[in-house]
Amino acid sequence: QQQVKQSPQSLIVQKGGISIINCAYENTAFDYFPWYQQFPGKGPALLIAIRPDVSEKKEGRFTISFNKSAKQFSLHIMDSQPGDSATYFCAANFGNEKLTFGTGTRLTIIP
Amino acid sequence: KAGVTQTPRYLIKTRGQQVTLSCSPISGHRSVSWYQQTPGQGLQFLFEYFSETQRNKGNFPGRFSGRQFSNSRSEMNVSTLELGDSALYLCASSFGPLGSNQPQHFGDGTRLSIL
Repeated sequence: QQQVKQSPQSLIVQKGGISIINCAYENTAFDYFPWYQQFPGKGPALLIAIRPDVSEKKEGRFTISFNKSAKQFSLHIMDSQPGDSATYFCAANFGNEKLTFGTGTRLTIIP
Repeated sequence: KAGVTQTPRYLIKTRGQQVTLSCSPISGHRSVSWYQQTPGQGLQFLFEYFSETQRNKGNFPGRFSGRQFSNSRSEMNVSTLELGDSALYLCASSFGPLGSNQPQHFGDGTRLSIL
């Protein structure tokens, strides 16, 4: 049972543009929403995380927007750079439950 | 500070064999979680160990097992290997257990191929 739905599956953005990846969740008990970035041959690395008591969190060029009523959260990458080309995973969990991951978005930034 | 170390990086086995993968967490981290990553299923949780006790388990058959030692190092064992077990196996460590919302730090994985 997929509890975190991620879209799009792949995304191509021009350098300098805004990359947007969306996730929707079903379990209203989720209270922790991290995003991970994974480069080929490497493990996922924590990028940024948010809790549902805030609607937005920004770290440098990366911003998470959270809509609790719609049960959706999204990652925005401003001024996208070729070095941002990677696979991005959203995730969610609550309590002592395991992290449930989205299916991933392969982001490609073209010059 | 050294990151999460997984050994070996690559492994080739044949059907029916068994395999043991190793994970050394970041120093001071007491929680170790294991994940299976495949192109079709994405990242799937196997189990979590905290202070040598298994706290959580994913939906995998009993052929997949693990343990954690007193120094927090962890091993994962897969017995009677099947072709479908070919995957990247990732280990992640954190200071607190799952649910404490401490960030999880991943190793670079062990790529297991079953022939």
